[in-house]
Amino acid sequence: DAKTTQPPSMDCAEGRAANLPCNHSTISGNEYVYWYRQIHSQGPQYIIHGLKNNETNEMASLIITEDRKSSTLILPHATLRDTAVYYCIVRVAAAGNKLTFGGGTRVLVKP
Amino acid sequence: DGGITQSPKYLFRKEGQNVTLSCEQNLNHDAMYWYRQDPGQGLRLIYYSQIVNDFQKGDIAEGYSVSREKKESFPLTVTSAQKNPTAFYLCASESLNSNQPQHFGDGTRLSIL
Repeated sequence: DAKTTQPPSMDCAEGRAANLPCNHSTISGNEYVYWYRQIHSQGPQYIIHGLKNNETNEMASLIITEDRKSSTLILPHATLRDTAVYYCIVRVAAAGNKLTFGGGTRVLVKP
Repeated sequence: DGGITQSPKYLFRKEGQNVTLSCEQNLNHDAMYWYRQDPGQGLRLIYYSQIVNDFQKGDIAEGYSVSREKKESFPLTVTSAQKNPTAFYLCASESLNSNQPQHFGDGTRLSIL
């Protein structure tokens, strides 16, 4: 699996959009970009994933650059409950392929 | 509610003792996984299974064993051979349909007495 690079931490004001960057310059053509988050002492929570098109769901939006070497997760209106570690993962979409979690970005949403 | 249930939430092990962590899912997922997470670290794969009665070692299988007798259940045994078992253990499952995400349980925190 290709590796990803994320900033170790970032702060965000409550009610503002949070933009979380991720670099995956060695991504392969059949690898998807997945985003998870983990709140302390809980299991990782799936947020969103995509291959090359931008994606949006009830939690977030995912913007993938045209060359697929980087992506941005957007939380449109951050709340205090969005404080968590956010992980960007690239993976071939097939069962049996592990998720490789790197260090992630520790996001602190402040009032 | 559909989901993945891990039990117990907290578990204590005595030296030389085997302990078994439970993972049950009612999502009708074919594949199930066990990961280990140490403080401040990412997840590392212990074992995974794509079908009943079959499983494969992950990156850190030594000192652990699993079984997959039923589709919905994938228990993990931490044996006495695992010398540093204190960690947060996470179970996940996913459909065999491509590009679907893995979903996780809420974890079991194992400590040594």
